[in-house]
Amino acid sequence: NAGVMQNPRHLVRRRGQEARLRCSPMKGHSHVYWYRQLPEEGLKFMVYLQKENIIDESGMPKERFSAEFPKEGPSILRIQQVVRGDSAAYFCASSPGPDRNYGYTFGSGTRLTVV
Amino acid sequence: QKEVEQNSGPLSVPEGAIASLNCTYSDRVSQSFFWYRQYSGKSPELIMSIYSNGDKEDGRFTAQLNKASQYVSLLIRDSQPSDSATYLCAVNKNTGNQFYFGTGTSLTVIP
Repeated sequence: NAGVMQNPRHLVRRRGQEARLRCSPMKGHSHVYWYRQLPEEGLKFMVYLQKENIIDESGMPKERFSAEFPKEGPSILRIQQVVRGDSAAYFCASSPGPDRNYGYTFGSGTRLTVV
Repeated sequence: QKEVEQNSGPLSVPEGAIASLNCTYSDRVSQSFFWYRQYSGKSPELIMSIYSNGDKEDGRFTAQLNKASQYVSLLIRDSQPSDSATYLCAVNKNTGNQFYFGTGTSLTVIP
């Protein structure tokens, strides 16, 4: 039973390009959370999705960032026109339902570097 | 005011000693509390969760919660060099959909 799978592990993009990060939840999990970790900062919530629904995107920057979790396939976090400040580690976690009292299991993360 | 605050350290302890990591949170409605360990360049790994006042022990780890003081701590007994990592405190509030993380405390266990 594989854990949360994220790819790519490392992603390098030039300023202005698009970055696409993928997250496959644990088997049987239909809820996905994306967090961002900037250097020297804690993990910050970005977005919470269920299959085909965005439940809470209160942590997403208003522009250039979007997320989806289609009926089939992984969840995608898309960053358009990347800037240097987008360089960070992006982590995904999943859960079988909305109850978070058991804690998250994170994927291995995608480390985005914008050059 | 930050939701979760931790002393960034670094904290250094000799091998075999007890490491004590502390965390305070600002919102009294906070419901559940977690400690994550993060090795450099890796993802956070859940090591302890605690929901009610008092102590919870799991192997060499003990989590302590004091809701009146809004304080959570993690004790690591018989510290090993492999415990050297950053420890993140996380809080789940009664409302909302997110965990709030502290910035982490860097622990070094000296052989």
